[in-house]
Amino acid sequence: NAGVTQTPKFQVLKTGQSMTLQCAQDMNHEYMSWYRQDPGMGLRLIHYSVGAGITDQGEVPNGYNVSRSTTEDFPLRLLSAAPSQTSVYFCASKGTSGGATETQYFGPGTRLLVL
Amino acid sequence: SQQGEEDPQALSIQEGENATMNCSYKTSINNLQWYRQNSGRGLVHLILIRSNEREKHSGRLRVTLDTSKKSSSLLITASRAADTASYFCATGGGSNYKLTFGKGTLLTVNP
Repeated sequence: NAGVTQTPKFQVLKTGQSMTLQCAQDMNHEYMSWYRQDPGMGLRLIHYSVGAGITDQGEVPNGYNVSRSTTEDFPLRLLSAAPSQTSVYFCASKGTSGGATETQYFGPGTRLLVL
Repeated sequence: SQQGEEDPQALSIQEGENATMNCSYKTSINNLQWYRQNSGRGLVHLILIRSNEREKHSGRLRVTLDTSKKSSSLLITASRAADTASYFCATGGGSNYKLTFGKGTLLTVNP
């Protein structure tokens, strides 16, 4: 299994541009989430999904959109990038049934720089 | 808002020494988890302790949980240079799928 994969690894945007951060998992996990990590702030939840077609907001959702059309994919869209969105973005997933349902599996992250 | 707060923010020790990190949280929890993050990488799950457990071991890791004080500690025994990483506690889980992470403790183990 590849686990949780994220693309791209690094991206530079100009203010006002839009882009989509890709996240995919091959573990058939129902729950997926997006976090951003900023220095001194830890990880903050942006959006999450408990299954295909179901999404909800986390702690810092403004400026981001998500959709969940399949179990495997959970893309994060930046509608109009701002310098405040410069961060490292992590996607995570976890199962919701069976054993070890509490463990979240993280992708390697996407470093985003907004100029 | 951050649920967990780790203490200290940074810790530097020599190889072979024990490292202890603490986590305090604010509201009642189903479980508390500890994760490790190596520089430039994603987080890796280390250990989970449920609210009805007081202590748990996994290899060189020992986690304690005191729900009356809303605190947890992570002890790494006989530390190695490879243990150098940031360590985060996270609370949540159960029917609440969301995890809330603390700001982390940066552990440096000097060879």
